[in-house]
Amino acid sequence: QLQLQESGPGLVKPSETLSLTCSVSGGSITSRSHYWGWIRQPPGKGLEWVGGSYYSGPIYHNPSLKSRVTISVDTSKNQLSLKLTSVSAADTAVYFCARLGDTLTTPRVAFDIWGQGTMVTVSS
Amino acid sequence: QSALTQPASVSGSPGQSITISCTGTSSDVGDYDFVSWYRQHPGKAPKLLIYEVTNRPSGVSNRFSGSKSGNTASLTISGLQAEDEADYYCTSYTISSTYVIFGGGTTLTVL
Repeated sequence: QLQLQESGPGLVKPSETLSLTCSVSGGSITSRSHYWGWIRQPPGKGLEWVGGSYYSGPIYHNPSLKSRVTISVDTSKNQLSLKLTSVSAADTAVYFCARLGDTLTTPRVAFDIWGQGTMVTVSS
Repeated sequence: QSALTQPASVSGSPGQSITISCTGTSSDVGDYDFVSWYRQHPGKAPKLLIYEVTNRPSGVSNRFSGSKSGNTASLTISGLQAEDEADYYCTSYTISSTYVIFGGGTTLTVL
């Protein structure tokens, strides 16, 4: 059974870089039918698409974050990573990783498997 | 890019039915049958309820159903139960460069 697990520091200082990892177990991140994405949720607010990547590209980003976001896939470690630069308090959120189907494989363009999420607080 | 539009809140009594709408544009909901719905309880990860407008994943109750008309998709929950009290989100494929777009979320209160 495929499982996702986010990990990373829970506290990041303003202006620094937030780095998170999503480890995939019970399956391969090199699936030809799925993207792997990051979604975040500020406290008390809704879900926000950060971005996602196929294991060999392309990569999609939320336009509002695009200049600060780097998403990459490490196939040797079966991991997805997220780097968000120049963070501020507005980046405080629970960060989820999730598997996202492509347009050809059911469930198409749906997040069918989620990690439990990891809380990241931006504060000095 | 604007999010899909959902009502902020809906409510219903146990046993009743409610419907949550999700309005987009011809760039997303209107032209593509790739609308999904999720339920999220406090402190938990979202769970997929409906995909491709009308389909339920294995294990999801048939009390949940989806539909679409024009640029608006809808989630209907019948036979409301206390456990349905949660936040609900829609997503859609979008032709824009982001690939997927989220709704703002709807809080369902079971009275």
